[in-house]
Amino acid sequence: EAGVTQSPTHLIKTRGQQATLRCSPISGHTSVYWYQQALGLGLQFLLWYDEGEERNRGNFPPRFSGRQFPNYSSELNVNALELEDSALYLCASSLRGANVLTFGAGSRLTVL
Amino acid sequence: QQPVQSPQAVILREGEDAVINCSSSKALYSVHWYRQKHGEAPVFLMILLKGGEQKGHEKISASFNEKKQQSSLYLTASQLSYSGTYFCGFRNSGNTPLVFGKGTRLSVIA
Repeated sequence: EAGVTQSPTHLIKTRGQQATLRCSPISGHTSVYWYQQALGLGLQFLLWYDEGEERNRGNFPPRFSGRQFPNYSSELNVNALELEDSALYLCASSLRGANVLTFGAGSRLTVL
Repeated sequence: QQPVQSPQAVILREGEDAVINCSSSKALYSVHWYRQKHGEAPVFLMILLKGGEQKGHEKISASFNEKKQQSSLYLTASQLSYSGTYFCGFRNSGNTPLVFGKGTRLSVIA
């Protein structure tokens, strides 16, 4: 069974540009979570989608946005990139209402 | 609100024990522990629900003190394979997201 897949693995952008990161959950999982892992800050919660709806949002500015598609895959968009957006972005999925998250390997975003 | 984890880092020799603590300023619904090895995705270890229960996973166990809003992860007779960063995560209710602490970097040396 395929795990959570994320693309791209690496992405390099310059300040002010936009980045789009993608996530495919495990088959049958309807909940998708996005976390930012910047150096020294741990796993910071960004967004939670379930059944196509945004369920919750972390303490990030509005230029961080996303969506979940009918096939439960998800996209994270970061507009007007800033240097401090450089981080590993992790996507996780779970069954609806379940507590166990399965993480993908992440997308490393570098902003120059 | 992010859980507070301690210590930030610990170095152990094989066979030694360690305890990682995690605390919250809010009432907790569940506590989750994950381990992330270098360059890999975080992997689920265990979950503890309200009730002060203790759970185990190989020689790794955890407790949850609901009154004190704290959880501890116990690693006994550590092995080289235990090296990694351990994250605790808290949920305040069934409808709130899983919020993680900053992690504890554990290094086990021979």
